[in-house]
Amino acid sequence: AQKITQTQPGMFVQEKEAVTLDCTYDTSDPSYGLFWYKQPSSGEMIFLIYQGSYDQQNATEGRYSLNFQKARKSANLVISASQLGDSAMYFCAMREGRRTGNQFYFGTGTSLTVIP
Amino acid sequence: DSGVTQTPKHLITATGQRVTLRCSPRSGDLSVYWYQQSLDQGLQFLIQYYNGEERAKGNILERFSAQQFPDLHSELNLSSLELGDSALYFCASSVAKAGRYNEQFFGPGTRLTVL
Repeated sequence: AQKITQTQPGMFVQEKEAVTLDCTYDTSDPSYGLFWYKQPSSGEMIFLIYQGSYDQQNATEGRYSLNFQKARKSANLVISASQLGDSAMYFCAMREGRRTGNQFYFGTGTSLTVIP
Repeated sequence: DSGVTQTPKHLITATGQRVTLRCSPRSGDLSVYWYQQSLDQGLQFLIQYYNGEERAKGNILERFSAQQFPDLHSELNLSSLELGDSALYFCASSVAKAGRYNEQFFGPGTRLTVL
């Protein structure tokens, strides 16, 4: 089974509107971290936001927020007030457990296009 | 700038050749991860090192090998290159302290083209 599933290969959003990028995950470990990364056309991977499995509140970083629904095993990224510079690939990732050796699992990504 | 450096930025070589990609992690980060990103395969985890020791192995071919040196920089060696090895190779580092889900910081990548 896939550890991270991103079901939206491509999304479009009007500038200044909000958009939600979906991510579901699969783990039996009660302790895990969830991450979102942005990859613009230039290629670099930029860390956006993180949510720990024991965090009580949804994470927020500026215009980014993570809608964490633990029972549904979903960790959707919400981008508010979209800007043209938000056009990029977005990857959801998970790290299980807190030991130093645990690897990260990445989804297949969602391509977001912001329309002026 | 993530603080992770990778060299070279671009590499063009021929099939059958061998190349070495280099990565320097952020200051203080002990863990280094290597990923391959190609158009049809997405982001594939290759291998992870922590403080010089191999910690996790993903979809890394036998023709590929890596190591992490005492100064914590890492090298990814790709040999007997094939056309299908053309991809963007990322290195990422993480402080990887136990008890935290430390995020990874990615380098700018090395774009490998095999002709």
